[in-house]
Amino acid sequence: AQSVTQLGSHVSVSEGALVLLRCNYSSSVPPYLFWYVQYPNQGLQLLLKYTSAATLVKGINGFEAEFKKSETSFHLTKPSAHMSDAAEYFCAVRGSSNTGKLIFGQGTTLQVKP
Amino acid sequence: NAGVTQTPKFQVLKTGQSMTLQCAQDMNHNSMYWYRQDPGMGLRLIYYSASEGTTDKGEVPNGYNVSRLNKREFSLRLESAAPSQTSVYFCASNPSGGNVQPQHFGDGTRLSIL
Repeated sequence: AQSVTQLGSHVSVSEGALVLLRCNYSSSVPPYLFWYVQYPNQGLQLLLKYTSAATLVKGINGFEAEFKKSETSFHLTKPSAHMSDAAEYFCAVRGSSNTGKLIFGQGTTLQVKP
Repeated sequence: NAGVTQTPKFQVLKTGQSMTLQCAQDMNHNSMYWYRQDPGMGLRLIYYSASEGTTDKGEVPNGYNVSRLNKREFSLRLESAAPSQTSVYFCASNPSGGNVQPQHFGDGTRLSIL
């Protein structure tokens, strides 16, 4: 069965600092992985997705994530945090069946300090 | 360019009342999903509809029913609301569960049950 673990429910960084949000997955089949962002009182927006084409995936707003099979990880990074990056971030893995179901991690709230 | 539309955006119910949450998408997607979001638990799948005419249980279906009214609309019903169902509910869709297109999310329905 698939599962996702996000390490750290809250991460705080200073504006301009590196952002690193951690995600580890468990999957019995080659995984398809996603990062979503949720701004206050809004739905989830796709940041990026991994579908086995390339291990380093670039997304919107300067975010990227690297798929590491040996570490079963898909960590999200951004070189320089902006105040507008403050939000909740979710890592998700697609379920093994062909139904498109997603299994989400617990979420990480990113705080950006001026 | 509506995408996924959920109504209502906010609702307060008393224990035992019933209610239907509405969801409609205008992207001609085959698959639709209902999730609930609770603090520290990420999003959990309640029900999904892989295609028009089919519905299946997700991770947390107890206390809910769904109807895939047509290709566009997928409603979620609480027959007898309980305080444990206080949550934020999200509807999502994607073109087809068999591919790896990301899910598109509505803005959510914030439901409080007193």
